Amino acid sequence: DVKVTQSSRYLVKRTGEKVFLECVQDMDHENMFWYRQDPGLGLRLIYFSYDVKMKEKGDIPEGYSVSREKKERFSLILESASTNQTSMYLCASSFGLAGLGETQYFGPGTRLLVL
Amino acid sequence: KNEVEQSPQNLTAQEGEFITINCSYSVGISALHWLQQHPGGGIVSLFMLSSGKKKHGRLIATINIQEKHSSLHITASHPRDSAVYICAVDKGQGAAGNKLTFGGGTRVLVKP
Repeated sequence: DVKVTQSSRYLVKRTGEKVFLECVQDMDHENMFWYRQDPGLGLRLIYFSYDVKMKEKGDIPEGYSVSREKKERFSLILESASTNQTSMYLCASSFGLAGLGETQYFGPGTRLLVL
Repeated sequence: KNEVEQSPQNLTAQEGEFITINCSYSVGISALHWLQQHPGGGIVSLFMLSSGKKKHGRLIATINIQEKHSSLHITASHPRDSAVYICAVDKGQGAAGNKLTFGGGTRVLVKP
């Protein structure tokens, strides 16, 4: 079974803090994704990575950065947290068959509250 | 206009009823996904399809590529089917990754 884990289920931070959200997958997947999910807006892609040290912006990258130093780990960084970044953050991974549809495996999510 | 539209947004059914959720999309796709999200947040992939029909237990997913439409059916619904069901399309763009574009979700409540 593919396992995608996220470092925290719940997180409370203050405005201006630097926040790290970590995601680890154990299936040697090439692709990893960070989404945020908000009521009424659904899931939106923040960043994704298709290889170590390779990354691409998603639909809403502003205010976020990412790091992928090792294949199994993909980190989302909020450089200076703001209240509008309060959200549910979901990580996902997939094998990486370019151009073909493939299943994404999701982590349990991190519910972040920025005060 | 969103590229992926789901209907209905909310659905309440009695246990045992047949449930249909619809998904329409306006872009070319390489695949369409149906996902399930239970309270608490975890998302599970139910189906990935690019043509025809797939069945898994009481769940059936169909897709009509020409009409850009997919349906998810739940037969003999049960309270444990209560969840948010999300449609997502893979536009198959580029060699890097398989980015998904998501519908807004359908919240299903099955009453005993």
